[in-house]
Amino acid sequence: AQSVSQHNHHVILSEAASLELGCNYSYGGTVNLFWYVQYPGQHLQLLLKYFSGDPLVKGIKGFEAEFIKSKFSFNLRKPSVQWSDTAEYFCAVNADTNAGKSTFGDGTTLTVKP
Amino acid sequence: DTAVSQTPKYLVTQMGNDKSIKCEQNLGHDTMYWYKQDSKKFLKIMFSYNNKELIINETVPNRFSPKSPDKAHLNLHINSLELGDSAVYFCASSSRTSGYEQYFGPGTRLTVT
Repeated sequence: AQSVSQHNHHVILSEAASLELGCNYSYGGTVNLFWYVQYPGQHLQLLLKYFSGDPLVKGIKGFEAEFIKSKFSFNLRKPSVQWSDTAEYFCAVNADTNAGKSTFGDGTTLTVKP
Repeated sequence: DTAVSQTPKYLVTQMGNDKSIKCEQNLGHDTMYWYKQDSKKFLKIMFSYNNKELIINETVPNRFSPKSPDKAHLNLHINSLELGDSAVYFCASSSRTSGYEQYFGPGTRLTVT
């Protein structure tokens, strides 16, 4: 069975600080990896995804993530956060053989202070 | 055009009642899902349908019954509502060709009193 672990439950940063959110997954085969963002009162939307190829993927709003296969990790980064990045961030994994079932981490609440 | 839509957006009801939530997607996806997000923001998959066939059925009380009349629609019926059912329910859709990237609806906030 696949599982996802997000290490940080709540992160508080000041504007312009750098961000890194940890995500580790557990699955022995090939996976698709995702980061979703949920702004206050809204639904989840895709930030970025990794299927194959370059392990450094770039998403919307200046976010990027690096897939490190040996560490089963897919950490999310942003060099300089803004107040508008305040949101809930979810890492998710999907094994193509698993009937389209995505497993989500417990989420990280990011609060950016102006 | 809304890609994944849900109705209603808010639902307030009393314990013991039966209620339904509807979901529709116009993305041409073949797989649809129901997720439950609790007050701590944890997101758990409940059901998934692929081309009207139930393919994922997580440990969910049998008071919850999904129905997919066609591959663009997935409804959720809940019998005998309990206080613990209060949550936000999200519908989502995806396709294998997009690596099962999830497209979420706006959510239905269910409050059971």
